[in-house]
Amino acid sequence: AQSVTQLDSQVPVFEEAPVELRCNYSSSVSVYLFWYVQYPNQGLQLLLKYLSGSTLVKGINGFEAEFNKSQTSFHLRKPSVHISDTAEYFCAVGGYSTLTFGKGTMLLVSP
Amino acid sequence: EPEVTQTPSHQVTQMGQEVILRCVPISNHLYFYWYRQILGQKVEFLVSFYNNEISEKSEIFDDQFSVERPDGSNFTLKIRSTKLEDSAMYFCASSRTGGELGIYSPLHFGNGTRLTVT
Repeated sequence: AQSVTQLDSQVPVFEEAPVELRCNYSSSVSVYLFWYVQYPNQGLQLLLKYLSGSTLVKGINGFEAEFNKSQTSFHLRKPSVHISDTAEYFCAVGGYSTLTFGKGTMLLVSP
Repeated sequence: EPEVTQTPSHQVTQMGQEVILRCVPISNHLYFYWYRQILGQKVEFLVSFYNNEISEKSEIFDDQFSVERPDGSNFTLKIRSTKLEDSAMYFCASSRTGGELGIYSPLHFGNGTRLTVT
């Protein structure tokens, strides 16, 4: 069985500040991890994924995430956010043909 | 860039009515999925579909639900007799490959259909 916990339902930050969105997972099989972003009135867009190899994964729009097996975490980071990063962010763990999502974290960037 | 398209964007129906949610996956994709998100809750897997049959389904996907690929382009989700608790955002997704390989072929999601059951 797999599960994902996103500890923060909402994260408010000021523009140009750094941000970290937290994600913890549990999985009894091989771990494939993803972050998706959902902008208002749009679908889910893949930000980045970890399949194997380097534990630091870089994605689109300046985001990166680090896979930490001992802490079962896959936190998403960006060193300097923009207003346009305001969106909902979903962490997901992959299994055989399915994804298990977290509840999402709303990132609110204000000027 | 090719997209997954879903229609309608918003559907309102009365309890007990049948609804069909429509999706056009990306043309060279072979695996199709439905997910849903009840307001304030997680995005949940419903069903995956390959080679004209269901390959996996969740506990949510009971006898009230069915999926179909009626032609070469559309992929539909039917709810036979809607309940209030079916109100949710329904996302269609597709990928070029599936199974373990599907993980290496990311899911592409549509913008969703918001279903409201009154």
